[in-house]
Amino acid sequence: DAGITQSPRHKVTETGTPVTLRCHQTENHRYMYWYRQDPGHGLRLIHYSYGVKDTDKGEVSDGYSVSRSKTEDFLLTLESATSSQTSVYFCAISVGEVRHEQYFGPGTRLTVT
Amino acid sequence: SQQGEEDPQALSIQEGENATMNCSYKTSINNLQWYRQNSGRGLVHLILIRSNEREKHSGRLRVTLDTSKKSSSLLITASRAADTASYFCATDSVGGSEKLVFGKGTKLTVNP
Repeated sequence: DAGITQSPRHKVTETGTPVTLRCHQTENHRYMYWYRQDPGHGLRLIHYSYGVKDTDKGEVSDGYSVSRSKTEDFLLTLESATSSQTSVYFCAISVGEVRHEQYFGPGTRLTVT
Repeated sequence: SQQGEEDPQALSIQEGENATMNCSYKTSINNLQWYRQNSGRGLVHLILIRSNEREKHSGRLRVTLDTSKKSSSLLITASRAADTASYFCATDSVGGSEKLVFGKGTKLTVNP
């Protein structure tokens, strides 16, 4: 998994509670990404980061915020979780500055009840 | 919105046969990539083809790209049961390669 870890790997939470997912990389890559994967929708980009404190929105950013205070960590926060945010969340890094092949973490399965 | 769309959605073949998956996209690209995802795991990068390339090989994988038709195909030759997985194409855009848009994937089952 190219030195990418995600925590937690599984989480069950209640509607309305805040949730933070962590992505950690060990190789100082500049670009990091958060995706969600749902049946019938494939993989969709939530937010991405192109450096410390530099982030931008993806296709499905509503209800999510991110922070990157260190190169190695990219946090995804659901301020008030909803059932529609039940999904599998993947973090990825980009290893090429020109070609941008991405390498993915193992995923976090989040269930909002 | 999805840029790449894979076809077929599901494919079931016997070991030893070839598997072909197609991807169509909508806007001009710099690169097109293919990824594999085994059940319950993250995606794994397989191969990247640049917009000025027409064909690329990697082991048993062959990728073609037709920019005039905005389409790509992934051929897996002499398939094995271990090739059972979902396969996704991903495209960037001419405006920047740092963001990828993934298709919904083709689920390949290789029966022993």
